[in-house]
Amino acid sequence: DVKVTQSSRYLVKRTGEKVFLECVQDMDHENMFWYRQDPGLGLRLIYFSYDVKMKEKGDIPEGYSVSREKKERFSLILESASTNQTSMYLCASSPGGLAGIMNTQYFGPGTRLTVL
Amino acid sequence: AQSVAQPEDQVNVAEGNPLTVKCTYSVSGNPYLFWYVQYPNRGLQFLLKYITGDNLVKGSYGFEAEFNKSQTSFHLKKPSALVSDSALYFCAVRDGDNDMRFGAGTRLTVKP
Repeated sequence: DVKVTQSSRYLVKRTGEKVFLECVQDMDHENMFWYRQDPGLGLRLIYFSYDVKMKEKGDIPEGYSVSREKKERFSLILESASTNQTSMYLCASSPGGLAGIMNTQYFGPGTRLTVL
Repeated sequence: AQSVAQPEDQVNVAEGNPLTVKCTYSVSGNPYLFWYVQYPNRGLQFLLKYITGDNLVKGSYGFEAEFNKSQTSFHLKKPSALVSDSALYFCAVRDGDNDMRFGAGTRLTVKP
């Protein structure tokens, strides 16, 4: 089974803190994604990566950055956390190329981040 | 750019009755369509997908979905709902690149 793990299920941080969310996948997938999920808005793409050290902005990249130093690991960084970044964060991975386009994304369990 | 709409925030059905969760999409090319389910405090789980071929696709847990090109719809269906089907359901679409777009989600409640 594909496994996507996220470093924390629940996280509470203070405004202005630097926050790291880690995601690891064990299926040698080229593509990795970070979404945030908010009620009534569904999932919105923050950043994605299709290869090591490669990154692309999604729909809502402001206030976030990412790092992909190894193929299996994709980190989301909140440089200075704000209360409007309180949300559920979901990581996903998929194969690259045509296989990725026609296949599902595999999701981690999510990290519920609260910024006070 | 592709987009997907789930017109119902909430769907309520009685156990044993058929259920439908609606999804419409907009793409510039050929759509790749997906349904996911999310249980409380969990990530999204893949249910089924339409890539090409037969318009009726069958997936996990007895769910199926019908692709209708003329109506640009991909409604999720199940002939007989179970209480355990209660969850949040997401429709998603791609049109040829790796960027997937999700609907806002529909909360399905199945009452005993």
